[in-house]
Amino acid sequence: KQEVTQIPAALSVPEGENLVLNCSFTDSAIYNLQWFRQDPGKGLTSLLLIQSSQREQTSGRLNASLDKSSGRSTLYIAASQPGDSATYLCAVIYNQGGKLIFGQGTELSVKP
Amino acid sequence: NAGVTQTPKFRILKIGQSMTLQCAQDMNHNYMYWYRQDPGMGLKLIYYSVGAGITDKGEVPNGYNVSRSTTEDFPLRLELAAPSQTSVYFCASSYSVQFTDTQYFGPGTRLTVL
Repeated sequence: KQEVTQIPAALSVPEGENLVLNCSFTDSAIYNLQWFRQDPGKGLTSLLLIQSSQREQTSGRLNASLDKSSGRSTLYIAASQPGDSATYLCAVIYNQGGKLIFGQGTELSVKP
Repeated sequence: NAGVTQTPKFRILKIGQSMTLQCAQDMNHNYMYWYRQDPGMGLKLIYYSVGAGITDKGEVPNGYNVSRSTTEDFPLRLELAAPSQTSVYFCASSYSVQFTDTQYFGPGTRLTVL
């Protein structure tokens, strides 16, 4: 079964700390991997999309990496801020079926 | 552009009632999707559409129906609501190649079935 797993489910850090969120997937045959941000009571906002041929993508303080051979992706957030507090979801599109498979998310809290 | 809009934002249904969740996008996207998100879980695909008149089942379609008469609108119909359908429902859309383009999400509809 094609699954996406995110650990930990929740993370709390002090402001200014660099942090890494993890995402693992069971099948290396992926089209792409996306990281989303979800604020409480809101929809999802796409942060970064990594195609299967890419190793990483960067946007501002965010850097996402992809290692298909190990079935892992990381989202690196530099110099975290309280405004970064949200749930971060990882989602994968596999070659077969083409459907977006979501992890359960990591709830991040950045304390001032 | 308003992006992806959903109505209503909240709804409480009694068991056995029916309702339609509305979704509209003004970005001229071909692809539209309905997801549900249960507490502490990721999103699961209910139905999707690759264009007007074309729909297909996702991972959890039972208890739901959809139609796509126009490019802009993609309503989700719940027939005979059950407590298991208590969830937050998200509509999304994307422009180009199936599932390989960024999806844009609406704000969600929080549904409770009692």
